[in-house]
Amino acid sequence: QSALTQPASVSGSPGQSITISCTGTSSDVGRYNYVSWYQQHPGKAPKLMISDVSIRPSGVSDRFSGSKSGNTASLTISGLQAEDEADYYCSSYTTSSTWVFGGGTKLTVL
Amino acid sequence: QVQLQESGPGLVKPSETLSLTCTVSGGSITSYYWSWLRQPPGRGLEWIGYVYYSGSTNNNPSLKSRVTISVDTPRNQFSLKLTSVTAADTAVYYCARVIYGGLGGFDYWGQGTLVTVSS
Repeated sequence: QSALTQPASVSGSPGQSITISCTGTSSDVGRYNYVSWYQQHPGKAPKLMISDVSIRPSGVSDRFSGSKSGNTASLTISGLQAEDEADYYCSSYTTSSTWVFGGGTKLTVL
Repeated sequence: QVQLQESGPGLVKPSETLSLTCTVSGGSITSYYWSWLRQPPGRGLEWIGYVYYSGSTNNNPSLKSRVTISVDTPRNQFSLKLTSVTAADTAVYYCARVIYGGLGGFDYWGQGTLVTVSS
């Protein structure tokens, strides 16, 4: 199974919105609504930000939103804050009953 | 509040077997899928495999037959064994819970444990 494709880095100024893309195939992202997004600060465990394409777990800011079109999923962060600076990973369930992750995107808040 | 805690040796010799245990507290291990994941230093996340509370499992094909994941429901624990390790298996290993009732993500994670493969 191949990793999902994410941009290596994105950046934005405080208050702006950014979008991180996650491209897979018809065997993972395009097949199921089982895409999730994780935020990881240095030295910390990943934190679930979005599940099932667009569901925000309790306690996650509504500035985070997810969507999907075809084989590409997206994470949008609106009203950027300094604390949003972190690595972000997407993941999808696959037709092989496995999970696959993207390579990660480093978000820099300018 | 559910908590997961990884435990096991932090140093394993090449060609030997890596063994880790994840202890679940604050909730039952039943009715959930439980996974192991890892992250080599400075790199991205990799899913290793899962075990269902009933004992059924599935693993990442890239790790072939080196992986065994098992569950001990009375102890509320699940375990990972990775055989024939090499330096490429050096990573922070995480245990995590799959969201209840679905396959849409991992909602609880352990803090992670660094395992170094070196002689």
